[in-house]
Amino acid sequence: GNSVTQMEGPVTLSEEAFLTINCTYTATGYPSLFWYVQYPGEGLQLLLKATKADDKGSNKGFEATYRKETTSFHLEKGSVQVSDSAVYFCALLYSSASKIIFGSGTRLSIRP
Amino acid sequence: DSGVTQTPKHLITATGQRVTLRCSPRSGDLSVYWYQQSLDQGLQFLIQYYNGEERAKGNILERFSAQQFPDLHSELNLSSLELGDSALYFCASSPGTSTYSYEQYFGPGTRLTVT
Repeated sequence: GNSVTQMEGPVTLSEEAFLTINCTYTATGYPSLFWYVQYPGEGLQLLLKATKADDKGSNKGFEATYRKETTSFHLEKGSVQVSDSAVYFCALLYSSASKIIFGSGTRLSIRP
Repeated sequence: DSGVTQTPKHLITATGQRVTLRCSPRSGDLSVYWYQQSLDQGLQFLIQYYNGEERAKGNILERFSAQQFPDLHSELNLSSLELGDSALYFCASSPGTSTYSYEQYFGPGTRLTVT
């Protein structure tokens, strides 16, 4: 079946460090891919998305590229800030379905 | 603030009881989605309603049910509660039926604790 696997957390980095959170997926066909972010005490917010192979989603300095050949959608940011501390979820969706399949989430903590 | 409201924020109840969680979507959104977030199961889609009708079903237990009212608010009913039902329940809304086309806006969640 369809699934999303993302790297285990927690991930702890110093401010201004480079961030990568790995995400791979298993799916037939061509799903859309998403990264959601959950700040403490809040609901999920869509961070970025990509709807077809080689698309790059970007927002707030974060980016991720839809790689069909490696079935991956890794999240990157060049210089993280303390305010980026949150839980990040990778997710996929087929256009024919309504439900989003989420990964297990990766908790990111940034030290000043 | 996403514009989606959920009440109550916290709920503590005993096993075997029944509770109702309420969600008001963003103004103009016709679709409402319910999700359960727990430590062992992660974030799981439960059910979607569009303009009052059930549109998609996920991993929703038979003890759980939902509905969407004419004013578009939605309620999730959880009955015969078990300890394992303790989780954060999120509601999300979007303008249309397909999440492919429309971003989902999440509410702050209701934390349910079953003792």
